[in-house]
Amino acid sequence: DAGVIQSPRHEVTEMGQEVTLRCKPISGHNSLFWYRQTMMRGLELLIYFNNNVPIDDSGMPEDRFSAKMPNASFSTLKIQPSEPRDSAVYFCASSPIRTGEEQYFGPGTRLTVT
Amino acid sequence: DQQVKQNSPSLSVQEGRISILNCDYTNSMFDYFLWYKKYPAEGPTFLISISSIKDKNEDGRFTVFLNKSAKHLSLHIVPSQPGDSAVYFCAASFGNQFYFGTGTSLTVIP
Repeated sequence: DAGVIQSPRHEVTEMGQEVTLRCKPISGHNSLFWYRQTMMRGLELLIYFNNNVPIDDSGMPEDRFSAKMPNASFSTLKIQPSEPRDSAVYFCASSPIRTGEEQYFGPGTRLTVT
Repeated sequence: DQQVKQNSPSLSVQEGRISILNCDYTNSMFDYFLWYKKYPAEGPTFLISISSIKDKNEDGRFTVFLNKSAKHLSLHIVPSQPGDSAVYFCAASFGNQFYFGTGTSLTVIP
């Protein structure tokens, strides 16, 4: 199994631009999570999908952030417009079960907004 | 508000000695606790977990202790090895809620 796949691995963009991060979860996993890692707050859960349905998006910081999961093998996290404070590493994780037990993380996308 | 806290951002330990990483939480509803290990430029990987009905779980060199009355979790690594050098995150969950700490960077000195 290839594990959780994220793309791009690095993204540098200018303030105001739209950014789309992509994730392919492990086949057969029912749950998908998007996290943001910063030095100050560690790993923050942004949104959680179960069977492609968003269950909890209370961690999404602002309306500029949106996430979709059109099918079981693909999810996107979009930031529009991006701001310098969005610079962070964004991780996608998947889990075979519903609740927050063991999750399998992708390698992350390092986003830099200038 | 940080519901899961790791108050030590870094820890250095001599090879062969015990490493103790600590984690505190505020929400008594948490019923499952996990430790993840993260190397640079990689995603976190699951290390060990414990249910709230237990107070200890052991897996090889790794043991997690849970003190529910103190809302405290710790990870013991014995003996520590240079390959254990990484950032360790504790996490806690209940229902759909899932929280990570800010991480502790462990350095094991050969």
